Amino acid sequence: GENVEQHPSTLSVQEGDSAVIKCTYSDSASNYFPWYKQELGKGPQLIIDIRSNVGEKKDQRIAVTLNKTAKHFSLHITETQPEDSAVYFCAARRGSSNTGKLIFGQGTTLQVKP
Amino acid sequence: NAGVTQTPKFRILKIGQSMTLQCTQDMNHNYMYWYRQDPGMGLKLIYYSVGAGITDKGEVPNGYNVSRSTTEDFPLRLELAAPSQTSVYFCASSLSSGNTIYFGEGSWLTVV
Repeated sequence: GENVEQHPSTLSVQEGDSAVIKCTYSDSASNYFPWYKQELGKGPQLIIDIRSNVGEKKDQRIAVTLNKTAKHFSLHITETQPEDSAVYFCAARRGSSNTGKLIFGQGTTLQVKP
Repeated sequence: NAGVTQTPKFRILKIGQSMTLQCTQDMNHNYMYWYRQDPGMGLKLIYYSVGAGITDKGEVPNGYNVSRSTTEDFPLRLELAAPSQTSVYFCASSLSSGNTIYFGEGSWLTVV
């Protein structure tokens, strides 16, 4: 089955700097890769996603890149702000599956210091 | 605009007790999921359902049961609570297999 590895587990950056979180996946049939942000005491919320027919997607300060050959994808946050502090999860979903279930990475705790 | 609603938010159980975590969604989504989240472990799928009357096991189903009698509701039952079931539980839903998955706020369960 699918396995998703996420690094780093913790990341501390200064406000205004960029943050990069990386994930690798094992199942070459996966074709959907969302990123979720989880604030303290809340459920995960989708912030951006990418499908395997696209190499990069941007939404204001956040972007996701996908390298299908290497089976890895990354989240990039530019001009970080204190409100970006949260736990971030990557996930992968098999394209041929009709269950829709996501396999998650272990999470990255991002701290943005003012 | 409620989305996915879980109850209770917090619960303490004694070993061997039983309980049901309730989950309801008002988005008319066909797919529903239960995940558990342990520190440093990400989210693991317990059970999922692709429609009313249909359920299937995820990655970590042991010790849990589910039912899906309506489109809106997907309760998760713990029969004989064990300390290993201390976790945060998230219910989620999506319109279909290819759509965005939306999560509830979570239920914190402690088994002592």
